[in-house]
Amino acid sequence: SQTIHQWPATLVQPVGSPLSLECTVEGTSNPNLYWYRQAAGRGLQLLFYSIGIDQISSEVPQNLSASRPQDRQFILSSKKLLLSDSGFYLCAWSFRTDTQYFGPGTRLTVL
Amino acid sequence: QQQVKQSPQSLIVQKGGISIINCAYENTAFDYFPWYQQFPGKGPALLIAIRPDVSEKKEGRFTISFNKSAKQFSLHIMDSQPGDSATYFCAAAWNTDKLIFGTGTRLQVFP
Repeated sequence: SQTIHQWPATLVQPVGSPLSLECTVEGTSNPNLYWYRQAAGRGLQLLFYSIGIDQISSEVPQNLSASRPQDRQFILSSKKLLLSDSGFYLCAWSFRTDTQYFGPGTRLTVL
Repeated sequence: QQQVKQSPQSLIVQKGGISIINCAYENTAFDYFPWYQQFPGKGPALLIAIRPDVSEKKEGRFTISFNKSAKQFSLHIMDSQPGDSATYFCAAAWNTDKLIFGTGTRLQVFP
């Protein structure tokens, strides 16, 4: 069976510091991978999605970037965090279907 | 045309009652309509999904009703329980790798 991992689970970072969030999927090959952000009490905002290694589409221009160095690894990064980057970051995967499966999320607080 | 409009934003139901959440869309090319359930601090989990070739799909206490001509679909939770208290998201997709999410409905079921 497939599982999706995200780490860290929680993170508190100062404004201007760098960010690296990691997502890995087990039990499948060549999945589509997604990064979403969810502000407190709000909906899901798609940030990036990837259909393969080094194939990444950005949905919202911002100071975040994504990379996919391996087939089942998806990384969300920032060089300098802003207060507005605070939120709940979710990674998701899908494979040859419309159904997306979400990870447990990372709670990021920027102070 | 890419939007999925969800209502209500919040819903309070007594235990044993029926919870109804509605979504509407414009893009007639959408052909996959899932509902996700999210508990606080957790990632969304797929609850039930429907394709437009059927008007209704039932899984246990959860039912999706789909009205293709009105471009609307809804989630009905029968015999609502306190454990159903969560945020529910509708979504839609069409032959792509992306889901378009509604803004979410916070459901509270009181004993």
